[in-house]
Amino acid sequence: GAVVSQHPSWVICKSGTSVKIECRSLDFQATTMFWYRQFPKQSLMLMATSNEGSKATYEQGVEKDKFLINHASLTLSTLTVTSAHPEDSSFYICSALLAGGKETQYFGPGTRLLVL
Amino acid sequence: QKEVEQDPGPLSVPEGAIVSLNCTYSNSAFQYFMWYRQYSRKGPELLMYTYSSGNKEDGRFTAQVDKSSKYISLFIRDSQPSDSATYLCAMRSGGSNYKLTFGKGTLLTVNP
Repeated sequence: GAVVSQHPSWVICKSGTSVKIECRSLDFQATTMFWYRQFPKQSLMLMATSNEGSKATYEQGVEKDKFLINHASLTLSTLTVTSAHPEDSSFYICSALLAGGKETQYFGPGTRLLVL
Repeated sequence: QKEVEQDPGPLSVPEGAIVSLNCTYSNSAFQYFMWYRQYSRKGPELLMYTYSSGNKEDGRFTAQVDKSSKYISLFIRDSQPSDSATYLCAMRSGGSNYKLTFGKGTLLTVNP
């Protein structure tokens, strides 16, 4: 149980284009999902907290107009990197909060983004 | 002082060894403690979940929490090459704040 998927698993795009990453909780409903980015050999950096049906809460220093988050259903949150640039290349990981029981985050497999 | 300190390693052990990983923290509000395992280029996988102080065992893994010392540990018995990964400690306070504070992760290699 508590399986989270991400799509795509990797994406290469040209500078200036937008990229959408999907995060789905497959066997549970998640009112809250989180988006992280991770640079090589570093820990996870929280970008934003996404709550179903409401606006995402962004961490300090994260541009909300650059990283658009939508959480339209209890099983799906999307992250859109708008006008991507090479410095946006990173490993993006989502997690979903499993409420009840072990109230903790279950992570997706990650999406590797390379902006050329 | 960082909220959570974790030695990044790398740690290299022979197969069958007992591995000890640990984290220290400074925020006394933390009540929930987790260990995640992350293989290269994959998302973190929840290994252990502990509330407050005490021990928890699951197969070859044992998690210990000592809130008085603000110290948590993960022990791996009979380590296997498949245990080679980065281990992240994570913790959060109680209530409805579900944000996790992570350690930097310890890179473990178990040599056959």
